[in-house]
Amino acid sequence: RKEVEQDPGPFNVPEGATVAFNCTYSNSASQSFFWYRQDCRKEPKLLMSVYSSGNEDGRFTAQLNRASQYISLLIRDSKLSDSATYLCVVNQKAAGNKLTFGGGTRVLVKP
Amino acid sequence: EADIYQTPRYLVIGTGKKITLECSQTMGHDKMYWYQQDPGMELHLIHYSYGVNSTEKGDLSSESTVSRIRTEHFPLTLESARPSHTSQYLCASTPGTGGFGYYGYTFGSGTRLTVV
Repeated sequence: RKEVEQDPGPFNVPEGATVAFNCTYSNSASQSFFWYRQDCRKEPKLLMSVYSSGNEDGRFTAQLNRASQYISLLIRDSKLSDSATYLCVVNQKAAGNKLTFGGGTRVLVKP
Repeated sequence: EADIYQTPRYLVIGTGKKITLECSQTMGHDKMYWYQQDPGMELHLIHYSYGVNSTEKGDLSSESTVSRIRTEHFPLTLESARPSHTSQYLCASTPGTGGFGYYGYTFGSGTRLTVV
């Protein structure tokens, strides 16, 4: 079983709609959580950190559920420019603070 | 503006050649990483360093080697390139923990390597 699992998608989303997807992690000792965005043939870029209480950044909302060991990302009012692969990333202090990346969820926003 | 730089961006090279992929960061980060990623596939950690003179192999076995003689510089070397080494190589760095908890990674723009 992978340490960080994501539905690869693609999630086909009409422009203006809301899309949400989850990521599960296997190690209960995981401490920090992030969502990264990666465009085709580009480097991953930090989208947002995920805090225990949940957090919002504009149209993006991230939630953490420690009991069920998953994090979620919700995108409201989807734009064409939101089309990308979203990587779920988990940090474990015991693993030397290395980040573990999920395989990514591909989102395609269509007009 | 990126504070972590990778050169070259693209490289096409013949089988058997020795190559070095450069990665430099100006942020003073101690922790640096090399990832390998094929198109549409997952990131795989191949090397990492927690500071000068510290290097470790990552989760994916790689024929490449790295060195960390200076904090800002973390080059990756392939002694004899093969077509199987064709991939994108991404360098990343982080300060690790700080006042706000753990910081994520900042990635360079990558080197797309093709071995023919």
